[in-house]
Amino acid sequence: DQQVKQNSPSLSVQEGRISILNCDYTNSMFDYFLWYKKYPAEGPTFLISISSIKDKNEDGRFTVFLNKSAKHLSLHIVPSQPGDSAVYFCAARTGGSNYKLTFGKGTLLTVNP
Amino acid sequence: GAGVSQTPSNKVTEKGKYVELRCDPISGHTALYWYRQSLGQGPEFLIYFQGTGAADDSGLPNDRFFAVRPEGSVSTLKIQRTERGDSAVYLCASSSQGVAYTDTQYFGPGTRLTVL
Repeated sequence: DQQVKQNSPSLSVQEGRISILNCDYTNSMFDYFLWYKKYPAEGPTFLISISSIKDKNEDGRFTVFLNKSAKHLSLHIVPSQPGDSAVYFCAARTGGSNYKLTFGKGTLLTVNP
Repeated sequence: GAGVSQTPSNKVTEKGKYVELRCDPISGHTALYWYRQSLGQGPEFLIYFQGTGAADDSGLPNDRFFAVRPEGSVSTLKIQRTERGDSAVYLCASSSQGVAYTDTQYFGPGTRLTVL
């Protein structure tokens, strides 16, 4: 069963606008969440993370929001730039085995100039 | 500094053959991980090393898969009697500690394995 779900395989936005990528999870033991970005032929690159004790974490143009009651998190990119075009993976881990990341299937973001 | 490197970048083999995939972690990182990414899926955890020992190999799909890290640095993922279903991108990651709550995993570019 898919414990981390990214239900949108792709998203297309205009340069300068906001990109919102969504992620849902089912395992209530997850307490730390991460977003990775992946360009073709490269490995995933860590982008931003959030602990379950917070509901928001911001780093420059990137903000992650966590809604624990809904088991939902989202990544906001403002303003979007063409270089942000990549596959974005949502990942989660539990406190008991905080080395093991569980990934969603990813969302392909395309930012059009 | 140098990131995680993996060799080969691509490997094509025939069903039933044996393959080895190599990972060079970031220097000084004690924790090393292997993940497998099948087409259209996210990476799936295979095994975690803390130093030389495999602390968790629960993600290895069956006994055809084995991994070693004899000196606590370079790791080799070994697959015996390859099957077409083994075709995937094999990703290696490393982190400085492995157990710290906010420890970040840094990924290599992966090895694309194709089993004909």
